[in-house]
Amino acid sequence: EVQLVQSEAEVKKPGESLKISCKGSGYSFTSYWIGWVRQMPGRGLEWMGIIYPGDSDTRYSPSFQGQVTISADKSIRTAYLQWSSLKASDTAMYYCVMGAAGPYYFDYWGQGTLVTVSS
Amino acid sequence: QSALTQPASVSGSPGQSITISCTGSSSDVGGYNYVSWYQQHPGKAPKLMIHEVTNRPSGVSNRFSGSKSGNAASLTISGLQAEDEADYYCSSYTSSGTQVFGTGTKVTVL
Repeated sequence: EVQLVQSEAEVKKPGESLKISCKGSGYSFTSYWIGWVRQMPGRGLEWMGIIYPGDSDTRYSPSFQGQVTISADKSIRTAYLQWSSLKASDTAMYYCVMGAAGPYYFDYWGQGTLVTVSS
Repeated sequence: QSALTQPASVSGSPGQSITISCTGSSSDVGGYNYVSWYQQHPGKAPKLMIHEVTNRPSGVSNRFSGSKSGNAASLTISGLQAEDEADYYCSSYTSSGTQVFGTGTKVTVL
């Protein structure tokens, strides 16, 4: 059974750094694209970016390029989403997603990690 | 890369059929047969309902169907049921090798 298990909720202050994680199991981690989707409170879904753990090929939405970093450690089957300096506007639910058929759509979703940024 | 355009809300009575539209451009919806649809109930993670315009994943009711014409795609829910009340998002692969979501549609069962 494919599972994407995300790290717990985080509460941070503006300007702090953060790295959240997503551990994949039940499939060949290096063979499928894994990525991140943002959902701000009461808002819609936003596609952030994806990575192919096999060769670390990474693609970002123009809206998130330079704002976050997506990475993966294939030795521990884990993908990451990180910020170097958080803003209040980063407050959102972040979903880890996986596309079994390529970078075209997401078959599998994690449970979500709520990030709250507040002074 | 602008979000795909969806109506903010669609409603219908139980048993009726409703259709949600999703309008993009030749760089996304019109250029690829990689339109997908997701259902999201409040407080839950989204669920894939349709992929590659018309394909239903295993376990998804055949009351859900998809189509595409030019730069616009549609999701039709037939035999509307109370459990179908949720938010629905379309998504498309793009010429940049990324994806873009739609603005989202709230479906209300009257």
